[in-house]
Formats: sequence, structure tokens, C-alpha cells
Amino acid sequence: TQTVSQSDAHVTVFEGDSVELRCNYSYGGSIYLSWYIQHHGRGLQFLLKYYSGNPVVQGVNGFEAEFSKSDSSFHLRKASVHWSDSAVYFCAVSATNNNRIFFGDGTQLVVKP
Amino acid sequence: AQTIHQWPVAEIKAVGSPLSLGCTIKGKSSPNLYWYWQATGGTLQQLFYSITVGQVESVVQLNLSASRPKDDQFILSTEKLLLSHSGFYLCAWSSGGSNERLFFGHGTKLSVL
Repeated sequence: TQTVSQSDAHVTVFEGDSVELRCNYSYGGSIYLSWYIQHHGRGLQFLLKYYSGNPVVQGVNGFEAEFSKSDSSFHLRKASVHWSDSAVYFCAVSATNNNRIFFGDGTQLVVKP
Repeated sequence: AQTIHQWPVAEIKAVGSPLSLGCTIKGKSSPNLYWYWQATGGTLQQLFYSITVGQVESVVQLNLSASRPKDDQFILSTEKLLLSHSGFYLCAWSSGGSNERLFFGHGTKLSVL
């Protein structure tokens, strides 16, 4: 069974700061890793995903994430945040051989002006 | 372009009453379909998925059932609601298996009183 851990429930930064949202996973096989964003009361929107190749993947709105097999991590980063980036961010992991997609508990990002 | 529509937007129901939530995907043939449940401020729990009409796989048992009567429709229901059913229900689709990104609907907020 895959598990996903997002160690920070809340992160607060100022506009223009850089931010890193952490995600660690546990699974022994081949997996896909993704990040999604959820604005209050809305559905989730896809940011980026990784399966193989370059461990740094680029997503929408200036987000990127880096896969590390040794650390079992897939942290999300943005160099300069905007107030509109305030939302809940979910890391997700799925195995390559089924349709079960597991989400972390989410990290609430607050960007102050 | 593909669209996903969930109905209703919100429901307030009494304990013990029946429930039916719906999800329709337009512009995409044979999508994989998913139901997720999200407790207030919590993570997403995958409930069901379906890869074809008439076939639904259960991921967790929450006294809910799901059906896929048509290629573009996914229904979540129960005959008797529990207080623990309260939360946010999200429908999603993808083009294929777990390697594909999920496209989420706007969700249905359910309050069971």
C-alpha cells in the first residue's frame, strides 16, 4: 500500500518569498507522483506529475517539483509566490498497476501581502 | 473541450435519508471515473473508481455505493445516510490509468444532520 506524508499542515510566507512544500511517500514499486492545488470549496486542479526521467518537473504557474528516490520525496517549490497561490496543496501517489490514487493530508499555504 | 459537472452543488439531508449524487463528463469517451470523499479540512479518500460502463470497483467501505449507468455518468448513493457521511464529495475523470492526471469537478458539499 502506498502512503503519502505531508509533514507541514500550514505554511505561511510573504508575497515574493520562495516556498517549498514537502511530500514523502512510501511504496516499493513503480509509482507516479503528482501535486494538486485546491482553492477553498473547489475541486482540485493538477499542477504537475513525475514518473521517470528528469527528476525536476515543471508545472503550471511557476511551480516545480523534484523527485528524490533516496529520500522518497517529491517536494514542491516556487521561487516567488503570489497572493493567489494561497490554497491547499495535495501530494498524490499512485501505483502503475492499478487505479488507486492516494493523497496526502494537504498543506495549507498562506501568502501574506 | 471536456467538461465535468457535479450535481447538486450542496445538500442538507437528515440522518437515515437516502442520497444520490451525480457526475457527468462531456467531451471524453470512455473516461476512467473516480469518487472521492473529503472531510472538512481533511485529505481525500478514494471511494470508487470505474474504467467502463457497468463496472465499479470499491476502494473503501463507507456504506455507500456507486454505479456507472452510462459512459459519461457516475452516480454515488446510499439508502441511509449517517452523520459520518458529511463532507465534500468530488468526482474526477482521467484518460487512462493511475499515470494520467485527474480532472476534478467542483464538488458537492453534503451536510447530514
